[in-house]
Amino acid sequence: AQSVTQPDIHITVSEGASLELRCNYSYGATPYLFWYVQSPGQGLQLLLKYFSGDTLVQGIKGFEAEFKRSQSSFNLRKPSVHWSDAAEYFCAVDLGGYNKLIFGAGTRLAVHP
Amino acid sequence: KAGVTQTPRYLIKTRGQQVTLSCSPISGHRSVSWYQQTPGQGLQFLFEYFSETQRNKGNFPGRFSGRQFSNSRSEMNVSTLELGDSALYLCASSTGQDFYEQYFGPGTRLTVT
Repeated sequence: AQSVTQPDIHITVSEGASLELRCNYSYGATPYLFWYVQSPGQGLQLLLKYFSGDTLVQGIKGFEAEFKRSQSSFNLRKPSVHWSDAAEYFCAVDLGGYNKLIFGAGTRLAVHP
Repeated sequence: KAGVTQTPRYLIKTRGQQVTLSCSPISGHRSVSWYQQTPGQGLQFLFEYFSETQRNKGNFPGRFSGRQFSNSRSEMNVSTLELGDSALYLCASSTGQDFYEQYFGPGTRLTVT
C-alpha cells in the first residue's frame, strides 16, 4: 500500500541552526510531493511542491526540499531556523488521483532561543 | 482573494446526533476535498468533489457523506455521531485541474460527547 513515512515525531533545534526534516514515500511511480506546515489551531499551509523537473525546489519562508528518486525521499531543509518556524510539518503525496493527499504522521518542530 | 472558509469553527455534539459542516472554496476553485485529522490516525482523506460530482472517496463508513453545490460550496455530513468522530475536519480547495495545489481552510473542530 502507498504510504508516507516521517521518521522523526519530534525535533528540537536552536534558533539559527539548520534544519532537515525527513520524508520517505512508498509508491512505484513518482507521485506529486508536498510539504505543509500547521501552526497550533490552524489549517495547513503549503510550503512547497514537486511535480517534475528540477529536483531541488524552493518554497516559502526560506524552505527548500530535494527529491531523490533513488531513495524515494523528499526531505525538507532550512539553513537557519527562526522561532516562528515552530509548528508541525507534514509531508504528503498525491498519486495523481483527484486531489487525494496521503499524509505522513507529521514532525513537530520546537525551536529553542 | 479570500481564502477557504469553514463554518462553524467549533461544534459540540452528542453521540447519536448528526452534524453538517460547510466549506466555501477560493473563488474560481471547482474542487473541494475533505480531510479528518485526529491525534491517533493523523490526516486522512474523506472525499473530493469536483463540479458537484464526487470523484474520489476515502475509507470511511457511509455515515460520512458530502455534497457540492453549483457555486462550488461543499457540505459534509456525519450521521449517528460516535465518540471517535471527534476531530478537526479540514477542507481544501483547488482548481481541480492540471498541477493542482490544495489550499486548506482553518478547519472545524468537532467534539462528540
